[in-house]
Amino acid sequence: QLVQPGVEVKKPGESLKISCQGSGYTFVNYWVDWVRQKPGKGLEWMGGIYPGDSVTSYSPSFQGQISISVDRSISTAYLRWGALKTSDTGIYYCVRHRSSQYYHAMDVWGQGTTVIVSS
Amino acid sequence: IQMTQSPSSLSASVGDRVTITCRTSQSIGNYLNWYHHKPGKAPKLLIYGTSNLQSGAPSRFSGSGSGTDFTLTISSLQYEDFGTYYCQQSYSDSGFGQGTRLEIK
Repeated sequence: QLVQPGVEVKKPGESLKISCQGSGYTFVNYWVDWVRQKPGKGLEWMGGIYPGDSVTSYSPSFQGQISISVDRSISTAYLRWGALKTSDTGIYYCVRHRSSQYYHAMDVWGQGTTVIVSS
Repeated sequence: IQMTQSPSSLSASVGDRVTITCRTSQSIGNYLNWYHHKPGKAPKLLIYGTSNLQSGAPSRFSGSGSGTDFTLTISSLQYEDFGTYYCQQSYSDSGFGQGTRLEIK
């Protein structure tokens, strides 16, 4: 499973780092992706990290706005913002990304972290 | 890669056969997945690799297609199937369709 904190409330301009701890599987062997859902909107892929070697991949829509990192010693991935905007308000899911030669799919989802950015 | 789901919403009765389509702007082979999202819960993987049923997903769900045109079919709609369905391409990075909101009449 993937465990995330429930809610984070921040002011515009503040920094934030949210966590995603994996358990019950070999954490380093699967990509961990981050997916955003803004209020009333659909799902957006933000990017991901391979914990085995910390290689990252970012959506062009989020490149430069966020950073994704990992601490293998505690099986935890992180999503970080340097300066939040009100438009960053939403639910952020971490997901395990299962891959084979024939498919790549998000098969395990965290329960989501609600981020509220408001002055 | 642009993704277009249709319809954007639909209303159907228990027992109905329901079909949702997803079209991509370029060929993605079979790298297409479907997810079910209920309000207040995390999305769940239903179908991966176009037509493979995820472990634990009900057998009334099936997927088909290849290239640029894909379909999710619910053979006999149940009450618990309400929510939003998303297609996702995993051929080039990743991307989701805009979602199909399914309401039970």
